[in-house]
Amino acid sequence: EDQVTQSPEALRLQEGESSSLNCSYTVSGLRGLFWYRQDPGKGPEFLFTLYSAGEEKEKERLKATLTKKESFLHITAPKPEDSATYLCAVLDGGSQGNLIFGKGTKLSVKP
Amino acid sequence: DGGITQSPKYLFRKEGQNVTLSCEQNLNHDAMYWYRQDPGQGLRLIYYSQIVNDFQKGDIAEGYSVSREKKESFPLTVTSAQKNPTAFYLCASSTATGGRGYTFGSGTRLTVV
Repeated sequence: EDQVTQSPEALRLQEGESSSLNCSYTVSGLRGLFWYRQDPGKGPEFLFTLYSAGEEKEKERLKATLTKKESFLHITAPKPEDSATYLCAVLDGGSQGNLIFGKGTKLSVKP
Repeated sequence: DGGITQSPKYLFRKEGQNVTLSCEQNLNHDAMYWYRQDPGQGLRLIYYSQIVNDFQKGDIAEGYSVSREKKESFPLTVTSAQKNPTAFYLCASSTATGGRGYTFGSGTRLTVV
């Protein structure tokens, strides 16, 4: 069965303390891996799409990387405004277009 | 600007009532989805539609119904058969293959009173 597992479930950082969020997956032929940011009471907002192992994408303090088994979302020198839940989702080769979501990592950045 | 609109933002349902959540998109996307989000459980798929006049059940379809009469619209009805409807509901849309991921609406929070 296809699975997407995110870790840790929650992460508390001090402002400026860099860290990484993990998304491991088991799917039959990856067609895409997606990262979203979700603020409380709002819909998820698209961050990155990665399609093949070795690919990297960057946006401000965020950098997403992809291997054959997992993806990392690296946060460099985070600020309090980076506090949110980060969702990972994968699109597998046998899917009609339905994403498989992880349960998310709730990030809190304290000043 | 293209996007996906959910309404209302907050909705209150009395016991035994059916309520309908609206979802409209102007992205010319073929596929639309409904998810339910509860604390600690992530996103759970209720229904999805790949094309007008066709839709499929997701993982938790019991107590819900949908229609897809127009490409732009995918309303969700929470029926009285849904015993625990209090949750945050998210609508999303994508291209037919999903290769660019989903665009999400801002959500509807439904509360049973």
